[in-house]
Amino acid sequence: QQQVKQSPQSLIVQKGGISIINCAYENTAFDYFPWYQQFPGKGPALLIAIRPDVSEKKEGRFTISFNKSAKQFSLHIMDSQPGDSATYFCAASDGGATNKLIFGTGTLLAVQP
Amino acid sequence: SQTIHQWPATLVQPVGSPLSLECTVEGTSNPNLYWYRQAAGRGLQLLFYSVGIGQISSEVPQNLSASRPQDRQFILSSKKLLLSDSGFYLCAWNWGRQETQYFGPGTRLLVL
Repeated sequence: QQQVKQSPQSLIVQKGGISIINCAYENTAFDYFPWYQQFPGKGPALLIAIRPDVSEKKEGRFTISFNKSAKQFSLHIMDSQPGDSATYFCAASDGGATNKLIFGTGTLLAVQP
Repeated sequence: SQTIHQWPATLVQPVGSPLSLECTVEGTSNPNLYWYRQAAGRGLQLLFYSVGIGQISSEVPQNLSASRPQDRQFILSSKKLLLSDSGFYLCAWNWGRQETQYFGPGTRLLVL
């Protein structure tokens, strides 16, 4: 119940295309859903995050779509660029005393020029 | 502004040797601190977290231990490394009830 399932494991997209990464969760107590971007050899960096009181959040070319009833959320990267090539992790948190994040297994995105 | 440091950046150690990885945070006080391990091509596994000096919670029983001797210092240790301890070790922090975690640059450990 604490898991966050992420798919696909890897994704190849042409430059200018739309990249879509999906995550699903079971714990209805989760109330914070961030996406992290990680370049090779670097630590993950927060990309965008959403709370379940909204169905969509957009920041530039990055959009999170959230479906509370289905317990699913996804990351859409519009006009994908080669510089977006990285590993993307979804995560979820139920707050609490430690604010632990439960991470998905990651998606390796390659944007081909 | 806050900064998080990890060292060393890279480490190659023989099996059976001890380990000490250090993480420090600047620009904040009383942070929550986290140690993660990332195996090659895999996700992030939470190893330890700490909400204050001397307070350590372990998520996964293993060959590693953690300590927090100072408010903004978090140390990951092992008495005897195993081959399976190889990986990318990440330290992260946040503050209070803040949910976003901020990651350090990581330490790549190779046990031979």
